[in-house]
Amino acid sequence: GAVVSQHPSRVICKSGTSVKIECRSLDFQATTMFWYRQFPKQSLMLMATSNEGSKATYEQGVEKDKFLINHASLTLSTLTVTSAHPEDSSFYICSAGDSLRKFQPQHFGDGTRLSIL
Amino acid sequence: AQKVTQAQTEISVVEKEDVTLDCVYETRDTTYYLFWYKQPPSGELVFLIRRNSFDEQNEISGRYSWNFQKSTSSFNFTITASQVVDSAVYFCALSEGGGSEKLVFGKGTKLTVNP
Repeated sequence: GAVVSQHPSRVICKSGTSVKIECRSLDFQATTMFWYRQFPKQSLMLMATSNEGSKATYEQGVEKDKFLINHASLTLSTLTVTSAHPEDSSFYICSAGDSLRKFQPQHFGDGTRLSIL
Repeated sequence: AQKVTQAQTEISVVEKEDVTLDCVYETRDTTYYLFWYKQPPSGELVFLIRRNSFDEQNEISGRYSWNFQKSTSSFNFTITASQVVDSAVYFCALSEGGGSEKLVFGKGTKLTVNP
């Protein structure tokens, strides 16, 4: 079964809306989670590293005020796309690794397909 | 900086053919991990394999096999006797450290297996 739950799986909303995406580790603790973005027919690009209890680390070119990340517990990270516009339409996917088993591969959520009209 | 190159953008084969997906990587780290993921049209990433930089043994899992060669910085993936269900986008990826770190992905290879 899924070990990382990502919700919602699909969002369609109007331009200007803020959208929150949740990434939850189901049976392990994750002090670090990763958020990736994938535009149609392109690769996955890391947006930011979410750190439990501290600020996220954003990759170059990713606006931190646009993509708010909160990692308030060891099992949940959220990504909020603020005032979303059509160019933010993309597939967003999170991953998490077990903090107690650092040499195990990280697990990916099933992704969120965001469409901004 | 780390980089993963998948030179083949799209491959089309007929069922039962063997197909090899190429992956070339660049890294300055001596310890790193290489991955292959499958992404079907539904979008989720399906983990296929992880290999660390100290283990150059080839691996076989059913119809899948992987050839890791540090001398050429390559980690190629072969599907034997391909099936329609193998149709997907395949990504090669690289991470440093223990394998639970952030991944650098190649651009992916779209494989279409025709009946």
